[in-house]
Amino acid sequence: DSGVTQTPKHLITATGQRVTLRCSPRSGDLSVYWYQQSLDQGLQFLIQYYNGEERAKGNILERFSAQQFPDLHSELNLSSLELGDSALYFCASSVGGQRSGELFFGEGSRLTVL
Amino acid sequence: DQQVKQNSPSLSVQEGRISILNCDYTNSMFDYFLWYKKYPAEGPTFLISISSIKDKNEDGRFTVFLNKSAKHLSLHIVPSQPGDSAVYFCAASARNQFYFGTGTSLTVIP
Repeated sequence: DSGVTQTPKHLITATGQRVTLRCSPRSGDLSVYWYQQSLDQGLQFLIQYYNGEERAKGNILERFSAQQFPDLHSELNLSSLELGDSALYFCASSVGGQRSGELFFGEGSRLTVL
Repeated sequence: DQQVKQNSPSLSVQEGRISILNCDYTNSMFDYFLWYKKYPAEGPTFLISISSIKDKNEDGRFTVFLNKSAKHLSLHIVPSQPGDSAVYFCAASARNQFYFGTGTSLTVIP
């Protein structure tokens, strides 16, 4: 158990809909990251938050948005869903700050768009 | 621009032998390097890491080697076990921004 919690584990929805994925980081971690993995491809970095502020942005579509709340949990919002958005979405957390450390992943949320 | 590369998509090794997974990077600012193991439909699991001030770190059957001059790191697993069969990702970090390779699928043959 990495200590990173993601909900829901599975989600099935239709094209055009909107979903929210939730992530609770490990206790003490200030930084949250979102990754997308499609069809056993590599891990695509979407976005990073540190202590409530956006820190870095990767290949995140305009239809997607995220935020990190004061209690440090994070949500990834996916809207106007398309079939190609079907993927595993991983949240990860780290202590953050200037000094690099380990990154720990949650079990992922599997999104299926029909 | 792929800053971290794993040039071998797959590797097969006999049980009991050594598995060597390789990773190359381009950014000399990376100060921390990590290896992850991933099973299908599960989250990546942290395996082992190494700081840029070291050239070797060992944890049980897993050893990571870092060659800064060549911008190369490798993961050695010895002895390899069938349960080690998974996809292995290397990652590099600068100030807690992480860059991942595309993964190497390791198959350990009993």
